[in-house]
Amino acid sequence: DAMVIQNPRYQVTQFGKPVTLSCSQTLNHNVMYWYQQKSSQAPKLLFHYYDKDFNNEADTPDNFQSRRPNTSFCFLDIRSPGLGDTAMYLCATSRGGIGTEAFFGQGTRLTVV
Amino acid sequence: KNEVEQSPQNLTAQEGEFITINCSYSVGISALHWLQQHPGGGIVSLFMLSSGKKKHGRLIATINIQEKHSSLHITASHPRDSAVYICAVRPRNTGNQFYFGTGTSLTVIP
Repeated sequence: DAMVIQNPRYQVTQFGKPVTLSCSQTLNHNVMYWYQQKSSQAPKLLFHYYDKDFNNEADTPDNFQSRRPNTSFCFLDIRSPGLGDTAMYLCATSRGGIGTEAFFGQGTRLTVV
Repeated sequence: KNEVEQSPQNLTAQEGEFITINCSYSVGISALHWLQQHPGGGIVSLFMLSSGKKKHGRLIATINIQEKHSSLHITASHPRDSAVYICAVRPRNTGNQFYFGTGTSLTVIP
């Protein structure tokens, strides 16, 4: 059974129209991550939560926001998507702490038109 | 400069060949992950290593902490092994960050 579930798998949105991607986990992990992966590039960390503590990467655009209402769920909100935001968005979880394993969702492929 | 370098970037092999993908990193780490990403799909964690060697089916992963190097080997490769293989490291003392390599795109031809 999938342990990190992302919805939707595919999303097409119009330029400037807000979009929300969701991630849920059944692992009860402390840490949840959101990554952006553009074609042929390595995943790039946008932000992560350790429990309720939000950690934003310095170069994550303000256009990207996140919410974690409880341990199981984490959302990525893109307030005004641009064409350059077309990418795969990956959610991952880990227990946190030194050397713990990460588990990834299947990703949401977002296309901005 | 990327903290994690992988080689080769692209690899084409005939079915049945033994394949090696290499990963070098420049920071002290607490763990290294090998990940598999199929076209259009999400990422599956294959191995997490902090020392030595792990084996799962036809996949073997090794790590040399002193040399800051890891290898992923695939024995008796099969077309279903075609995917992008990504090396990711968890640096020591940087909280919950991961650094990723840019991946090795493997194509196994029948």
